[in-house]
Amino acid sequence: DAKTTQPPSMDCAEGRAANLPCNHSTISGNEYVYWYRQIHSQGPQYIIHGLKNNETNEMASLIITEDRKSSTLILPHATLRDTAVYYCIVHSGYALNFGKGTSLLVTP
Amino acid sequence: GAVVSQHPSWVICKSGTSVKIECRSLDFQATTMFWYRQFPKQSLMLMATSNEGSKATYEQGVEKDKFLINHASLTLSTLTVTSAHPEDSSFYICSARESGRGETQYFGPGTRLLVL
Repeated sequence: DAKTTQPPSMDCAEGRAANLPCNHSTISGNEYVYWYRQIHSQGPQYIIHGLKNNETNEMASLIITEDRKSSTLILPHATLRDTAVYYCIVHSGYALNFGKGTSLLVTP
Repeated sequence: GAVVSQHPSWVICKSGTSVKIECRSLDFQATTMFWYRQFPKQSLMLMATSNEGSKATYEQGVEKDKFLINHASLTLSTLTVTSAHPEDSSFYICSARESGRGETQYFGPGTRLLVL
């Protein structure tokens, strides 16, 4: 699976949109971009995934660039409960390879 | 939907004893389940992949005789830490992938093991 690069930490004010970037310049054609998050002392939670089209669900939106070398996870209205470590994972099957992720802190 | 449970949520045991952790997919069938381990301030590390009805595949450096994995049904996988030692203290997390429904994995809440 291709490697991803994420900023180690980000802050966001409550109620504002949180935009979390991810670089995956070595992604191959059959690899999906997955996002998970892990709230402290809990198991990871699936958020969203996509191949090349933008995706939206009740939790977030995923924007993938046309060349697929980077993506952005958007939490449209961040709340304090969105404080967590967010993992961007490029995946074509088998197990997930968790990097260090981005620690998002949502502040009042 | 796609709920995975783990039991127990935490366990404290004495050095040398064995501990069994259960992972269940509650509302779907999982041909494949995965076991991860997470030490403090570190990311998740894959330990093994468990396929229903067959032997688990262990990652390099994970002792298969120490971490026994059984996947006897499409909804249950167990991890037994045999002869536990303090260095085995960690957060153990399982995930399950729904049969025939793509590659998305759903994670359990984790089991915190403390070996004294």
